[in-house]
Amino acid sequence: EVQLVQSGAEVKEAGESLTISCKASGYKFTSYLIGWVRQMPGKGLEWMGTIYPGDSSTRYSPSFQGQVTFSADKSINTVYLQWTSLKASDTAIYYCARPTNEYGDYENWGQGTLVNVSS
Amino acid sequence: QSVLTQPASVSGSPGQSITISCTGTRNDIGFYSHVSWYQQRPGKAPRLLIYDVFNRALGVSNRFSASKSGVTAFLTLSGLQVEDEADYFCASYSGGGNILFGGGTKVTVL
Repeated sequence: EVQLVQSGAEVKEAGESLTISCKASGYKFTSYLIGWVRQMPGKGLEWMGTIYPGDSSTRYSPSFQGQVTFSADKSINTVYLQWTSLKASDTAIYYCARPTNEYGDYENWGQGTLVNVSS
Repeated sequence: QSVLTQPASVSGSPGQSITISCTGTRNDIGFYSHVSWYQQRPGKAPRLLIYDVFNRALGVSNRFSASKSGVTAFLTLSGLQVEDEADYFCASYSGGGNILFGGGTKVTVL
């Protein structure tokens, strides 16, 4: 069974750095993309981009390019989403999700990580 | 990047059918046959319902059907049930590995 388990909720102050994680199991980790999706409070889904754990290649949505960094650790089947300087507007739930192919179709989702940034 | 356009809300009575639209452009929905639909219940992660325009994901009821015409995709819920109350999001591939989501539609069962 494919599972994506995300790290717990975070409460941070603006300007701080943060890394959240998404641990995958139940499939060959290096063979599938993993995407990140943001959901701001009471709002819709926003695609942030993807990472391919096989070679750690990344693709960022233009809206998130330069704002966040994706990385992966093949030894522990885990991908990461990192901020170097949080803003209050980063307050959201962040989901990792595994698509069946490069065209989207996100079949498996993590439970979400709530990031709350105070100004 | 622009989001795909969905109605903010749609409602119907139990047993009725409702349709949610998702309008994009010639560069996304109008060009690619990679449109998907997701259901999100309150406090839960999204769940894939439909992929590649009209294919139901594993375990999804055949009360959910979908199609596309030009730059607009459609999701139809037949035999509406109380458990269908949720937010529904469309998504489309837009080239270069990029994905666009719709703004979401809240479905209310009256």
